[in-house]
Amino acid sequence: ETGVTQSPTHLIKTRGQQVTLRCSSQSGHNTVSWYQQALGQGPQFIFQYYREEENGRGNFPPRFSGLQFPNYSSELNVNALELDDSALYLCASSSGTDEKLFFGSGTQLSVL
Amino acid sequence: DAKTTQPPSMDCAEGRAANLPCNHSTISGNEYVYWYRQIHSQGPQYIIHGLKNNETNEMASLIITEDRKSSTLILPHATLRDTAVYYCIVSFNGGYQKVTFGIGTKLQVIP
Repeated sequence: ETGVTQSPTHLIKTRGQQVTLRCSSQSGHNTVSWYQQALGQGPQFIFQYYREEENGRGNFPPRFSGLQFPNYSSELNVNALELDDSALYLCASSSGTDEKLFFGSGTQLSVL
Repeated sequence: DAKTTQPPSMDCAEGRAANLPCNHSTISGNEYVYWYRQIHSQGPQYIIHGLKNNETNEMASLIITEDRKSSTLILPHATLRDTAVYYCIVSFNGGYQKVTFGIGTKLQVIP
């Protein structure tokens, strides 16, 4: 069984640009959660998708948006990038019957 | 969701047991305790979780006090590869994925 994969691993953008991060969930998992981890902090919940619908959102502005596809892979989109958006973005998948979260290795986003 | 308090850092000698405490004094009756760890530059890894009974798996043991206001994660024989940040999270089963992690405990295993 394949694990959670995220792409790209690193990304550099400038302020005001838009970015799309991608996540392939673990085989058999229908739920994907996204987290932002600033340097020296724990992961902060952005939102969760369950069967292609948003299923909970953290304290992030609307310029953070997402999608989940029929194969349960997911995208995180961030518009109008700000310097403070520089962080490690983590994707985690889970199944409805198992509470364990399986994380990818993340995408390191730098906004200049 | 109940808040948790963990020491920011701990050291442990290689081969000895590492005991990582977590306080969650406002935990409610149906909230679970979860533990994850994050090795540098990787995503967090699930370790163990429990409701009120002590739990053990191949990675660790989880001891929850009778009043459920605190818990301890035990790594029975710490190795250098256990050096990581350990996160304790408290939440309702089915909702904890939406919880923001705290800063955790940085465990340094010393040779």
